[in-house]
Amino acid sequence: KNEVEQSPQNLTAQEGEFITINCSYSVGISALHWLQQHPGGGIVSLFMLSSGKKKHGRLIATINIQEKHSSLHITASHPRDSAVYICAVNAPNDMRFGAGTRLTVKP
Amino acid sequence: KAGVTQTPRYLIKTRGQQVTLSCSPISGHRSVSWYQQTPGQGLQFLFEYFSETQRNKGNFPGRFSGRQFSNSRSEMNVSTLELGDSALYLCASSLEPHLEQFFGPGTRLTVL
Repeated sequence: KNEVEQSPQNLTAQEGEFITINCSYSVGISALHWLQQHPGGGIVSLFMLSSGKKKHGRLIATINIQEKHSSLHITASHPRDSAVYICAVNAPNDMRFGAGTRLTVKP
Repeated sequence: KAGVTQTPRYLIKTRGQQVTLSCSPISGHRSVSWYQQTPGQGLQFLFEYFSETQRNKGNFPGRFSGRQFSNSRSEMNVSTLELGDSALYLCASSLEPHLEQFFGPGTRLTVL
């Protein structure tokens, strides 16, 4: 079983829809990251969280340390949000990654 | 401020050869991490360097090695290349370990 589980694996939405991607982890962590990867490979760090909630534009990330769960929300989704979203955690000796959620937003 | 740069961007090698990849972090960043991304295994942690010292290493064979220089630039080396080493190799830098990371564009290595 992967120590970082993401759901769903694939997600298709219509422009304007509210989107939620979930991440659960089973290891002790110091922080959790949400990453965005566009076709071609470039990765952008969206959020780094150790508690609570962060908001950046239309993106919101939350983390519940007790439940070992985090969510990434995208409000008013847009076709340019189409990408792979990856959850990653700072474990004691390394960084561990979820398998990613492929999001497609249709106009 | 310039972002993280990686060279070369693309590389084709044959089995048994060795390869060296380079990463220049954002100015002022002293921590550099390396990752391997493949379609089958996804993203996997390779190494983390801080102030020229390897802090952590992922579960990869000894053919994978790296180092960091006094100017924080880092290199990773893969010897005796295997077909399974074909991957996108990503470098990321941060001011210090466990802070927000900034990723480079990656080096796409193909082993024939």
